[in-house]
Amino acid sequence: LAKTTQPISMDSYEGQEVNITCSHNNIATNDYITWYQQFPSQGPRFIIQGYKTKVTNEVASLFIPADRKSSTLSLPRVSLSDTAVYYCLVGEDSSYKLIFGSGTRLLVRP
Amino acid sequence: DTGVSQDPRHKITKRGQNVTFRCDPISEHNRLYWYRQTLGQGPEFLTYFQNEAQLEKSRLLSDRFSAERPKGSFSTLEIQRTEQGDSAMYLCASSSQQDSLSYNEQFFGPGTRLTVL
Repeated sequence: LAKTTQPISMDSYEGQEVNITCSHNNIATNDYITWYQQFPSQGPRFIIQGYKTKVTNEVASLFIPADRKSSTLSLPRVSLSDTAVYYCLVGEDSSYKLIFGSGTRLLVRP
Repeated sequence: DTGVSQDPRHKITKRGQNVTFRCDPISEHNRLYWYRQTLGQGPEFLTYFQNEAQLEKSRLLSDRFSAERPKGSFSTLEIQRTEQGDSAMYLCASSSQQDSLSYNEQFFGPGTRLTVL
């Protein structure tokens, strides 16, 4: 299973765009990149998943370069409620086992 | 609310006691997972059920831990002879087995926070 590396913490202000980068140098051909969000005292929640190039949904965008050795989660115009821990996961799409790292703690300030 | 419920939400016990947690997944989901999360860390996979069959157990799951899903619906996780190191958040998640073109998104419950004194 590919290991991921992401910043321990990030600070931002309301209304700004936040980009969280994740490194996964040993990503395998069949691996997908998935991001989960976790608020205090709650379980993680799926945000977005991608394999290559760019994926966008109603809450975030995911940018994946051609070599797929890294990926960037982009949160447009963050609000205070986006303060959470964000986890980058790499694994096969059919895998039943999610492997979480320590995540990135995002703090959004007013 | 993801539709996955866990009971109790909090449990305080003394070292050496047995505890049991319950998870009710989303009704149509045939896959159920247990994870453990300690402060400042991401969740760690413990075990996985497909319907009533327990298909994998992590090495983290010592002999004191047992999980069941008797009818392929709700699941229980029991810890015998609890130790202080068992103090953690125990998370349950569920998902449905879909075709290969769709992502196996896992829906997590709110967790049971265990404190062993």
